[in-house]
Amino acid sequence: VQLVESGGDLVQPGGSLRLSCSASGFTFSSYWMYWVRQVPGKGLVWVSRINNGGTTTTYAESVKGRFTISRDNGRNTVSLQMNNLRAEDTALYYCTREARSAVGMFDAWGQGTLVTVSS
Amino acid sequence: QSVLTQPPSVSGTPGQTVTISCSGSSSNIGSNFVNWYQHLPGMAPKLFMYRNNQRPSGVPDRFSGSKSGTSASLAISGLRSEDESDFYCAAGDDSLSGVVFGGGTKLTVL
Repeated sequence: VQLVESGGDLVQPGGSLRLSCSASGFTFSSYWMYWVRQVPGKGLVWVSRINNGGTTTTYAESVKGRFTISRDNGRNTVSLQMNNLRAEDTALYYCTREARSAVGMFDAWGQGTLVTVSS
Repeated sequence: QSVLTQPPSVSGTPGQTVTISCSGSSSNIGSNFVNWYQHLPGMAPKLFMYRNNQRPSGVPDRFSGSKSGTSASLAISGLRSEDESDFYCAAGDDSLSGVVFGGGTKLTVL
């Protein structure tokens, strides 16, 4: 099982960024996928999730209306489109897989991709 | 401020038993399983305990999890220097339709 994130970068406040996560080693279309972030020196925070079919998405209040999660089961990828970025969005963003029928049980994680929002 | 409350730090000497607490509410811990993650610097977080008290393969049986009402805990017996790490609790939250984490606890072996 492998999850590899990409797309992190330095971006100005108000800017946009698209993160991607490439999955391999498992049946991607069977799993809910999440994005979890960690501000440097702080704790883990759930950002967004998408169900296995891509029809249901949920967001943390802090990103609702600005971030959009999507997935392509044919390409085994999950993405996070981030718009209107703020300084407080600066964090290491992890892609993670939720074990089936087990909310909050993340049994595979990527190494993370760093997003820095600064002028 | 995290939805689940953990002590920022816990410490003990080799061989001791320490406990990391995780406090929540009826919408998260009170109605969902609790999972624990170990996070070492520069590494991806790792599932360390799931469904309150189940250990993934490779996690020593010195570690145990429990849950009662709206609180959970991770106990480490026979503390070893290699146990030093950050630990996070997490649970589904029915009110938020998402997952909530604790703020993390740094375990130090003195």
